[in-house]
Amino acid sequence: DAGVTQSPTHLIKTRGQQVTLRCSPKSGHDTVSWYQQALGQGPQFIFQYYEEEERQRGNFPDRFSGHQFPNYSSELNVNALLLGDSALYLCASSLGVNTEAFFGQGTRLTVV
Amino acid sequence: AQSVTQLGSHVSVSEGALVLLRCNYSSSVPPYLFWYVQYPNQGLQLLLKYTSAATLVKGINGFEAEFKKSETSFHLTKPSAHMRDAAEYFCAVSVRQAGTALIFGKGTTLSVSS
Repeated sequence: DAGVTQSPTHLIKTRGQQVTLRCSPKSGHDTVSWYQQALGQGPQFIFQYYEEEERQRGNFPDRFSGHQFPNYSSELNVNALLLGDSALYLCASSLGVNTEAFFGQGTRLTVV
Repeated sequence: AQSVTQLGSHVSVSEGALVLLRCNYSSSVPPYLFWYVQYPNQGLQLLLKYTSAATLVKGINGFEAEFKKSETSFHLTKPSAHMRDAAEYFCAVSVRQAGTALIFGKGTTLSVSS
């Protein structure tokens, strides 16, 4: 079992650019949640996808959007990148919204 | 609304000493509470969770936590620290028993010296 896998592990983008991060959930899981973890902070909930729809959303601007595919994998898109978007982005998967979430190792995004 | 406050951004203990990491929560509904550990350059691993079945919760690696409603606390303890316990620890709250859509504290870095 590969667990939750995220790609890429690191990337560097320029202010104003757009970025797409990817997440493959743990085998058997159908729900994906995304978190942003700024340096020295705890993770902050961005949104959750279940049955290819955004089910819950945290306090993030519309520049943050996502998608879930029929195979349950997910993408996080961030438009018009700001320096403050630099963070570790964590993906967590679960079976439905009422089972334990397992976290991936994250994607480290640096905006310069 | 829910929130979590972790008291002390950095805790240092000697190997073999008691570990105590403090967490206080605020919730308008009965909370589900969690402790996660994060090792450098890794994701989060669940240590234990409170889901109202028992107030004293035992987790992995010898950690345990006690839910105290009167104090709105969920402190994490371990009787004897090991070097391998050095990591970042996060307390989190959720309205869901499973712990999805978690609200995390800012974390406490645990250092263990020999």
